[in-house]
Amino acid sequence: EPEVTQTPSHQVTQMGQEVILRCVPISNHLYFYWYRQILGQKVEFLVSFYNNEISEKSEIFDDQFSVERPDGSNFTLKIRSTKLEDSAMYFCASSATGRSAFFGQGTRLTVV
Amino acid sequence: AQSVTQLDSQVPVFEEAPVELRCNYSSSVSVYLFWYVQYPNQGLQLLLKYLSGSTLVESINGFEAEFNKSQTSFHLRKPSVHISDTAEYFCAVSAINNAGNMLTFGGGTRLMVKP
Repeated sequence: EPEVTQTPSHQVTQMGQEVILRCVPISNHLYFYWYRQILGQKVEFLVSFYNNEISEKSEIFDDQFSVERPDGSNFTLKIRSTKLEDSAMYFCASSATGRSAFFGQGTRLTVV
Repeated sequence: AQSVTQLDSQVPVFEEAPVELRCNYSSSVSVYLFWYVQYPNQGLQLLLKYLSGSTLVESINGFEAEFNKSQTSFHLRKPSVHISDTAEYFCAVSAINNAGNMLTFGGGTRLMVKP
């Protein structure tokens, strides 16, 4: 069964460093998303991406964040200068129609 | 904007007992509704969804949820739970006709099935 894959499963980075989280969405899906879940809190929407551009983003998704679909199969989330409060589980998701989203296993980002 | 409330953060239940996980939402526009399940150390898996049509939707593993528009609820039920149903369950909504169809999640309910 097709699935969304995310790498790495766990990333530890020093505060102020840049980090790139990688995702391979389900083939033929057209809508891509990033969400995050800080420990003990709700899953929060970060950004949606369709037709090679951001279609919607939340207040969390400030200038420190960017997304890219560099080669037609990968979908990446970059955090330019990580802060302690960026520590969270980051989920990538994709959807064929923009209705039902399928999630990856997540990348646990720990900023120290 | 939408909001989702899951009234119970934890629900302990004995194996083979029935269970109901409650979900209420608030939205000024029509929504799609979803339940996701997260097993320990795994990602979010789509359990079931309501997009249109029959207000009662079912999953392949015996869960069902009913969309009640007047009560703005989408409660999840199972008549007889198994140990393997132990997981965290998330209710989510997205606004119909929203360009990105972003999901708004509830806080989650941890279902703990005891032998």
